[in-house]
Amino acid sequence: QSVLTQPPSVSGAPGQRVTISCTGSSSNIGAGYDVHWYQQLPGTAPTLLIFNNNNRPSGVPDRFSGSKSGTSASLAITGLQAEDEADYYCQSYDSSLTGFYVFGTGTKVTV
Amino acid sequence: QVQLLESGPGLVKPSETLSLTCSVSGDSDSNYHWSWIRQPPGKGLEWIAYISGVGSTNYSPSLMNRVTITGDMSKNQFSLKLNSVTAADTAVYYCARGVMYELESWGQGTLVTVSS
Repeated sequence: QSVLTQPPSVSGAPGQRVTISCTGSSSNIGAGYDVHWYQQLPGTAPTLLIFNNNNRPSGVPDRFSGSKSGTSASLAITGLQAEDEADYYCQSYDSSLTGFYVFGTGTKVTV
Repeated sequence: QVQLLESGPGLVKPSETLSLTCSVSGDSDSNYHWSWIRQPPGKGLEWIAYISGVGSTNYSPSLMNRVTITGDMSKNQFSLKLNSVTAADTAVYYCARGVMYELESWGQGTLVTVSS
């Protein structure tokens, strides 16, 4: 069950900037839990793209950036490249019930 | 650099139990936690459960009645059992290593099909 909502798809031309929103609630993003982003290239496992809202793991280009405000977060890709065509998922922690990890619904980026 | 590898049957009959193991090579320090995540064909990611480095567990509310996660990190592996499976449990199952609340390293995934 996804409790974080993302747009199903976004598209952009090479070199453009695109953003992906991730909308949660007061029991997850709005409660102060960090948001993380994953990139899933076709036919492969997801990889961590952004952690703790706006931090990039080693090796991730600085074209990728994240932000968080209130009950939402965003992933921005600047200087869009063909290799960025993939599915992107946000993820956070939800404190309702026993507490659990939650993923976003996923966004397909088309270049 | 840690590597995770899922293993288990690729085909499970309805009503039976799905059993998977994740073998970890590399750093399996007790500060990490270990998760299972699944992805039905053509759909999004669903977190299933995690086990911490000291053995505490946490489960998805929607699956907790059917799922058990166990781990023996001294043997560098942890496991998932999902009972009473149906076709809706057909998915690629991933194991992953977590730091705090993010999943920093993932296995390649294994497809499990539920069918008679």
